[in-house]
Amino acid sequence: AQKITQTQPGMFVQEKEAVTLDCTYDTSDPSYGLFWYKQPSSGEMIFLIYQGSYDQQNATEGRYSLNFQKARKSANLVISASQLGDSAMYFCAMREGPSSTLGRLYFGRGTQLTVWP
Amino acid sequence: GAGVSQSPSNKVTEKGKDVELRCDPISGHTALYWYRQRLGQGLEFLIYFQGNSAPDKSGLPSDRFSAERTGESVSTLTIQRTQQEDSAVYLCASRVQGAGDTQYFGPGTRLTVL
Repeated sequence: AQKITQTQPGMFVQEKEAVTLDCTYDTSDPSYGLFWYKQPSSGEMIFLIYQGSYDQQNATEGRYSLNFQKARKSANLVISASQLGDSAMYFCAMREGPSSTLGRLYFGRGTQLTVWP
Repeated sequence: GAGVSQSPSNKVTEKGKDVELRCDPISGHTALYWYRQRLGQGLEFLIYFQGNSAPDKSGLPSDRFSAERTGESVSTLTIQRTQQEDSAVYLCASRVQGAGDTQYFGPGTRLTVL
C-alpha cells in the first residue's frame, strides 16, 4: 500500500486565490512527521512546512498552512494568496517513527500546481 | 557554501559503464540520505547513513548500487554496469539530529544512460 497518496496530478489556481493540495497518508506508527516540499522546474527540493503527529495545532509558515486531520489521516497543504512563483511540483512526504530515528522519508507522486494571472 | 552540494550536476554515460555521484552534506549534519527521482515521479529512497551506525540500505534497487560515507562527511553513490532504467535525478539530503526535523536537499545529479 502507498504510504503517501496525492490524488491530484495537476491543479490550477488564479493569482491571489487560495488553493488546497491534498495528501493522505498510511501508517500504524503513533509517532510520525509530515512534510511538504516544493520542486520548481529548476529541480531543487525546497522545504515548506512540517507537522508532527503529536502537534496540537496546525502548522503555519507564512502563506503556507497544513490542514492536519489525524483521524482522517490527511495533511493537506493550503497556499493562500497564490503567486505566479508558486507554480511548481509539490510533494507530500512522511517520516515514520519519532524524530530521533532520523529515518527516511516516503514521498507521494506530487501535484503540479499552475498559477495563472 | 552552506547548503548540500552534489557533483556532477549532469552525467551522461554509456550503458554498462560505472558512475560515481558525490554528495557534500551540510557541515555538522549527522544523517545523509540518497533518493532517486525518475522523470515525472516522486522521490524513491535508496540509502541513508547516520553517524557511525550501519547504513540503511533497504532502498537500493540492486547489487549494482552501493554507497559509502566516511564519518559525517562526503558520500559517494556508485552505480556499476549502468542500465538505461538507471536514468534519473539522484538527490542527496542531510539532516542534523535535535535541530528540527527537516531534510535539506542538494540540487541533484541528472544521470542519463545511453
